[in-house]
Amino acid sequence: KNQVEQSPQSLIILEGKNCTLQCNYTVSPFSNLRWYKQDTGRGPVSLTIMTFSENTKSNGRYTATLDADTKQSSLHITASQLSDSASYICVVSIYNTNAGKSTFGDGTTLTVKP
Amino acid sequence: EAGVAQSPRYKIIEKRQSVAFWCNPISGHATLYWYQQILGQGPKLLIQFQNNGVVDDSQLPKDRFSAERLKGVDSTLKIQPAKLEDSAVYLCASSLESSEAFFGQGTRLTVV
Repeated sequence: KNQVEQSPQSLIILEGKNCTLQCNYTVSPFSNLRWYKQDTGRGPVSLTIMTFSENTKSNGRYTATLDADTKQSSLHITASQLSDSASYICVVSIYNTNAGKSTFGDGTTLTVKP
Repeated sequence: EAGVAQSPRYKIIEKRQSVAFWCNPISGHATLYWYQQILGQGPKLLIQFQNNGVVDDSQLPKDRFSAERLKGVDSTLKIQPAKLEDSAVYLCASSLESSEAFFGQGTRLTVV
């Protein structure tokens, strides 16, 4: 069964600190992995997308890593800001399909405090 | 570029009543999705359209949920009759074929 497990479930950090969110998956055959940011009351917005051959990808203060051998991904947030408070969702898609055949994790809720 | 539009933003109904949600995707996006997101969980796909045809509705509770996209543009999702466990955010998303899905703000449904 295709599954995506995220940890931790929730995280509280102080503004300016760094943090790392984890995503483990059993989805096969793997096509790509996306990290989404979902602000409260909003729809998810894509931060990064990574394919099998990519190990790391950055988007500003967000850096995603992928280890396709161990089926693990992480999202590192540098110098956190209050606006980073949101849910971060890991989504893994199977080969040659679009988001409709994707498996969503339950997300990590990040709270950044001043 | 206008994003995915959904309405209403919020809806409160009593159990056994019916409710309908509307979605207007990004112009030119052939693929449209409806997701159900229960509090604390990730979105779960209910139905996927390609133009006006259904690609995947395997997780749609067809005894009470229905969706249509008659002209291949906007779409409606209906629940009849609603149950307490249908309380969730209903997200609509659209994409070009095999590309990133863009989500609307969602409709928060509360069934009391």
